[in-house]
Amino acid sequence: GAGVSQSPSNKVTEKGKDVELRCDPISGHTALYWYRQSLGQGLEFLIYFQGNSAPDKSGLPSDRFSAERTGGSVSTLTIQRTQQEDSAVYLCASSPAAGGTDTQYFGPGTRLTVL
Amino acid sequence: DQQVKQNSPSLSVQEGRISILNCDYTNSMFDYFLWYKKYPAEGPTFLISISSIKDKNEDGRFTVFLNKSAKHLSLHIVPSQPGDSAVYFCAAWDSGTYKYIFGTGTRLKVLA
Repeated sequence: GAGVSQSPSNKVTEKGKDVELRCDPISGHTALYWYRQSLGQGLEFLIYFQGNSAPDKSGLPSDRFSAERTGGSVSTLTIQRTQQEDSAVYLCASSPAAGGTDTQYFGPGTRLTVL
Repeated sequence: DQQVKQNSPSLSVQEGRISILNCDYTNSMFDYFLWYKKYPAEGPTFLISISSIKDKNEDGRFTVFLNKSAKHLSLHIVPSQPGDSAVYFCAAWDSGTYKYIFGTGTRLKVLA
């Protein structure tokens, strides 16, 4: 079946603009995760959803970042007033349920460049 | 503060030899560990995992070893193949915060 998809694959924006990143998880997966990988860094956890609710938003770097998930499916990560330090690859993953033993399936990522 | 550390950013190994990738963690409450492989321009893909109740898990050419007392795990690939060239991430499941904590990755290059 179809894997996790993300759009756009690449996004170049100017500092101060808002961007919206989209993630389509695997159908039926209730858990959805957002990570970002900055150059030379590991995967930094941002937020996860169990269904439509986000029990833990502590990973979001600032209040310019927000995320929502509707219908237990598609999720969007919004970054307002982008800064150059927001440049990174943003990865989305889904799993059947939230929990350590459930494998996460990652999308290909969105490469965000803030000029 | 990095709770999961991969101290070797890169590793080169000859085809056919063993590749050993290391990972250290600081939180003794971590109870499940995973390895992911990542090719350029693709998302990470799950490779192998191990529960803290075990000290070894094997899947084909891939074996993960866990030393809880040393808070250390390693991934062994034998024999290594050129197609194994990728970035390998170690991750730990933190059941206290319900998060996966990832290391910074090790870039493996298998030389033909």
